[in-house]
Amino acid sequence: AQTVTQSQPEMSVQEAETVTLSCTYDTSESDYYLFWYKQPPSRQMILVIRQEAYKQQNATENRFSVNFQKAAKSFSLKISDSQLGDAAMYFCAYRSGRGSNYKLTFGKGTLLTVNP
Amino acid sequence: SQTIHQWPATLVQPVGSPLSLECTVEGTSNPNLYWYRQAAGRGLQLLFYSVGIGQISSEVPQNLSASRPQDRQFILSSKKLLLSDSGFYLCAWSSGQANEKLFFGSGTQLSVL
Repeated sequence: AQTVTQSQPEMSVQEAETVTLSCTYDTSESDYYLFWYKQPPSRQMILVIRQEAYKQQNATENRFSVNFQKAAKSFSLKISDSQLGDAAMYFCAYRSGRGSNYKLTFGKGTLLTVNP
Repeated sequence: SQTIHQWPATLVQPVGSPLSLECTVEGTSNPNLYWYRQAAGRGLQLLFYSVGIGQISSEVPQNLSASRPQDRQFILSSKKLLLSDSGFYLCAWSSGQANEKLFFGSGTQLSVL
């Protein structure tokens, strides 16, 4: 079974600075997808960014970018120019490209604090 | 546009009482449906998923059950709640595409006392 590990339970960053959240995963598959979700205090799950494993180019969404290292099975999230609204729990997630259930396996999350 | 409704938002139940949480999706057909639980300070654990009416797969043995009586309705139930059933329950749906994201409901905070 696939597992997702987030080794940083908590991180903090100063407003306007850059922070990187780590995620590693374990899989024997070659076709899969990776996601970062954000859960603010409202507890609503919000998709931040996604990456297809077959793409070598790292995904970017405005201030959010990933460093996808397929051989190392690493998928880190970089937040540039951090804003107070970025404070949230961040979850890394894995989805197999095989089968039809398309379930997501989540890591345990990293709580990000943004200091003014 | 697609929307997902989950209720109630908050629920306090005594140990041994029954449970029924409901989730409905609008604006799409034949979605994949999921129930996740988030315990305090932990990640999201997949409880059940369904790829069609009457088709339920359980990820972990537990005191809960799920049903899908209609295409866009997903229900989480228990006959007798345990203290350990407390947590934040999230319903989610996705299309039949592997690269598509999960759309989450707003969640139910369940406290079993």
